[in-house]
Amino acid sequence: EAQVTQNPRYLITVTGKKLTVTCSQNMNHEYMSWYRQDPGLGLRQIYYSMNVEVTDKGDVPEGYKVSRKEKRNFPLILESPSPNQTSLYFCASSPFGVAYNEQFFGPGTRLTVL
Amino acid sequence: KQEVTQIPAALSVPEGENLVLNCSFTDSAIYNLQWFRQDPGKGLTSLLLIQSSQREQTSGRLNASLDKSSGRSTLYIAASQPGDSATYLCAVLYTGTASKLTFGTGTRLQVTL
Repeated sequence: EAQVTQNPRYLITVTGKKLTVTCSQNMNHEYMSWYRQDPGLGLRQIYYSMNVEVTDKGDVPEGYKVSRKEKRNFPLILESPSPNQTSLYFCASSPFGVAYNEQFFGPGTRLTVL
Repeated sequence: KQEVTQIPAALSVPEGENLVLNCSFTDSAIYNLQWFRQDPGKGLTSLLLIQSSQREQTSGRLNASLDKSSGRSTLYIAASQPGDSATYLCAVLYTGTASKLTFGTGTRLQVTL
């Protein structure tokens, strides 16, 4: 089944404890992206990647890191999480960016930072 | 500032009614506009993508229109069903923003029996 998977689905952690949210897609898509969703603010893009080893900042990259060493994986790293990073996170992928192609979204990761 | 607005934030209609969801954007220099559906506890599902050169797109009971000059898009849902209950989001790819979509905050739709 073609899908985008994220792990974990739910995570409660404490301030300053490094964490990684994994994202994987099995559709051989070139483009992958991370979003966060907050009430009243909608989805905001954190980082995106047009291809392996190519990543770019979205609208809210501060406090996050990403890497794209393989086409299928695009992990989101929070080196020192803070309470303002409590949010619902989505990973998405598409064949070649968002200009012509629909995006496929993962189920989301709900992160709480205490 | 390039923004996307969706009004109303919530809408409740009886089953069988035709309905229209609205999306407005602040800059007519767009590459495309996309409509998504989000179910509680789940990710987004792409519904329709309209290129800037197009006026509308249709998929089943859904029809999305685009009017760049007025900065508006509408999503028309015909003969609504309880299964259509979800949050509907629109997103705009503004020209010159590479691959960064700007999302609206969504309209939460409830279709009642």
